[in-house]
Amino acid sequence: DQQVKQNSPSLSVQEGRISILNCDYTNSMFDYFLWYKKYPAEGPTFLISISSIKDKNEDGRFTVFLNKSAKHLSLHIVPSQPGDSAVYFCAASAEGSQGNLIFGKGTKLSVKP
Amino acid sequence: NAGVMQNPRHLVRRRGQEARLRCSPMKGHSHVYWYRQLPEEGLKFMVYLQKENIIDESGMPKERFSAEFPKEGPSILRIQQVVRGDSAAYFCASSPTRVSNYGYTFGSGTRLTVV
Repeated sequence: DQQVKQNSPSLSVQEGRISILNCDYTNSMFDYFLWYKKYPAEGPTFLISISSIKDKNEDGRFTVFLNKSAKHLSLHIVPSQPGDSAVYFCAASAEGSQGNLIFGKGTKLSVKP
Repeated sequence: NAGVMQNPRHLVRRRGQEARLRCSPMKGHSHVYWYRQLPEEGLKFMVYLQKENIIDESGMPKERFSAEFPKEGPSILRIQQVVRGDSAAYFCASSPTRVSNYGYTFGSGTRLTVV
C-alpha cells in the first residue's frame, strides 16, 4: 500500500520551460513534505520542503505547492536547466513519527537543451 | 566538513555470506537513518539510531538484519546470510536533530550485489 505516489515515472521538458512534478499521498497524518533530487550513483540531495500548514514554499527556481484537500503536492522548476536532469523523489513525514520519511518511487526528469 | 561517508561503495557477496555496511554521519550529527532502495523503487526506511540506541527499527526485516551506532565509530548495518533479494542500494542519512525540517543529509550509498 503506497502512501506516497508519483504516478509519472518520467518527464521530458525543453530547457527554459517549466517542469512540474506531481505527488499524491493518502495518509492525512502527514505533516511535512520534502523533495529530494538524485543523480545516478549518488545519494538523494534535499531540495525543498513544505509544512502542512502552508500551501506554497519558494526557493529560487523551485516552488512546492501543497493542496491538502486533494492530498496533492507539486514541484515547479522554472526555468528548467539541463543540470536539473535527475530523479526527483517526493517524501512525507507523519506527525508523531520518529522522523522517518515515506518516499515515492520517483520521477525521472530530462531537460533537453 | 565532510558529508555523510558510506563504505564500501560497492559490495559483492555470495549467498550465505555476511555483509557489513558502514556509515559515518556528518560532524555534529548524532541521528542516523538507514534506508534501502530496491531497483525501480523509492527509498524504504529501515532503522533510526542515536548513539548507542536504536530508536525505531520498524522497517527492519525481522531476521538476518541488525544495526548499531556505537559510542565511538561509525554506524553499522549488518546483514547475515545474504540472499539475492538483499541486492539493493543502502543509503545512510544523518541529521543534527530527531526531526529535521531541512531533511536529512544522505551518503552516496552502498550498492550490495548478492551472487
